[in-house]
Amino acid sequence: NAGVTQTPKFQVLKTGQSMTLQCAQDMNHEYMSWYRQDPGMGLRLIHYSVGAGITDQGEVPNGYNVSRSTTEDFPLRLLSAAPSQTSVYFCASSQGIMGTQYFGPGTRLLVL
Amino acid sequence: SQQGEEDPQALSIQEGENATMNCSYKTSINNLQWYRQNSGRGLVHLILIRSNEREKHSGRLRVTLDTSKKSSSLLITASRAADTASYFCATLPGTGRRALTFGSGTRLQVQP
Repeated sequence: NAGVTQTPKFQVLKTGQSMTLQCAQDMNHEYMSWYRQDPGMGLRLIHYSVGAGITDQGEVPNGYNVSRSTTEDFPLRLLSAAPSQTSVYFCASSQGIMGTQYFGPGTRLLVL
Repeated sequence: SQQGEEDPQALSIQEGENATMNCSYKTSINNLQWYRQNSGRGLVHLILIRSNEREKHSGRLRVTLDTSKKSSSLLITASRAADTASYFCATLPGTGRRALTFGSGTRLQVQP
């Protein structure tokens, strides 16, 4: 199993550009989530999904969209990038919310 | 806002010594989890303790939970240089949003 994969590993955007961060898992997990981690801080929840077709907002959802059309994939879309969105983005999955979260390696995003 | 707050923010010890990190939280929880993050990497799950448990062991790790004080501690015994990492607690609320909330972490440096 590849576990949780994220692409790209690094990305530089200009203010106002849009992009999609990809996340995929091959463990048939129902629960998936997106976090951002700023320097010296913990993780803040952006959006999460409890199954295909079901998504909900986390702590810091503004400026981000998600969809969950399949169990495996949970892409995160930045609609109009801002410098405040410069961060490291982590995707995670688990069998259910009660279970162990498996994290991807992260995507480092720089918005100029 | 962060649900869990770790203490201390940074800890430096010698190899062979024990390391203790503490986590405090604000609201009732279903479970509390500890994760490790090596520099530039994703988070790795260490241990989960449920709200009705008081202590749990896994190898050199010992976690305690005091729900009356809304606090938890992680003890790493006989530390090794490879234990150098950031350690985060994460809480799953008993009610409300079904998502983990992470603290800001403790940065542990184990000197060889």
